[in-house]
Amino acid sequence: DQQVKQNSPSLSVQEGRISILNCDYTNSMFDYFLWYKKYPAEGPTFLISISSIKDKNEDGRFTVFLNKSAKHLSLHIVPSQPGDSAVYFCAATVWDGNKLVFGAGTILRVKS
Amino acid sequence: EAQVTQNPRYLITVTGKKLTVTCSQNMNHEYMSWYRQDPGLGLRQIYYSMNVEVTDKGDVPEGYKVSRKEKRNFPLILESPSPNQTSLYFCASRTGTASDEQYFGPGTRLTVT
Repeated sequence: DQQVKQNSPSLSVQEGRISILNCDYTNSMFDYFLWYKKYPAEGPTFLISISSIKDKNEDGRFTVFLNKSAKHLSLHIVPSQPGDSAVYFCAATVWDGNKLVFGAGTILRVKS
Repeated sequence: EAQVTQNPRYLITVTGKKLTVTCSQNMNHEYMSWYRQDPGLGLRQIYYSMNVEVTDKGDVPEGYKVSRKEKRNFPLILESPSPNQTSLYFCASRTGTASDEQYFGPGTRLTVT
C-alpha cells in the first residue's frame, strides 16, 4: 500500500517549456514534503521542500505547490532545460522526519 | 568536501554468505538512514538511526541489521542474503533537524544469486 504515489512513470517536455510533475499521498499525518532528483549512477539530491502550513514554495526555476485538501503536490520547472532530465522522487514525512516515504519516481526527459 | 560514502559500489554474492555494506559521512550528522531502490517501488526505508546507539526500523527491515557505534558510520549487515535482496542500496544522512534535507551516498548495487 503505497502512501506516496507518482502515477506518471515518465514525462517528456520540450526545452524551454514547463514541466509539471505530480504526486499524491494518502496519509493525512504527513506534514513535510520533499522533491529529490536523481541522475543515473548517482544518489538522489535534494531539490525543494514544502511544509504543510504552506501551499507554495519557490526556488529559482522550481516551484512546489501543495493542495492539502486533495492530498496532492506538484513540482513545476520553468523553463525546462536538458540538464533537468533525471528521475524525480516525491517524498513525505511526519513531524519528526525520521521516516521518509518515497514515491516510485517520474523520469523526466527534456528534449532540445 | 561534504559527502556520504558507501563501499562497495558493486557486489555480487551468493545466497547465505554474510555481507556488510559500509556507510560513512563527514558532516557530523546525527541522523543516518538506509534505503533500497527497486523498479516501480521507488526508495523504501530499511533502518534509520537518530544518533549513536539509537536505531529503529523503517518500512522494510526484514533480513537486515544495522549498528551505530560511531557517529560517522552506519553499516548495513545482511546476515544471510537472499535473491530478493538484490537491489540498489542508498545510505543517507542529515542533521538532527527533522526538516533538513538528507544527503545521499552514491549507491551500492547488490546482486544475490
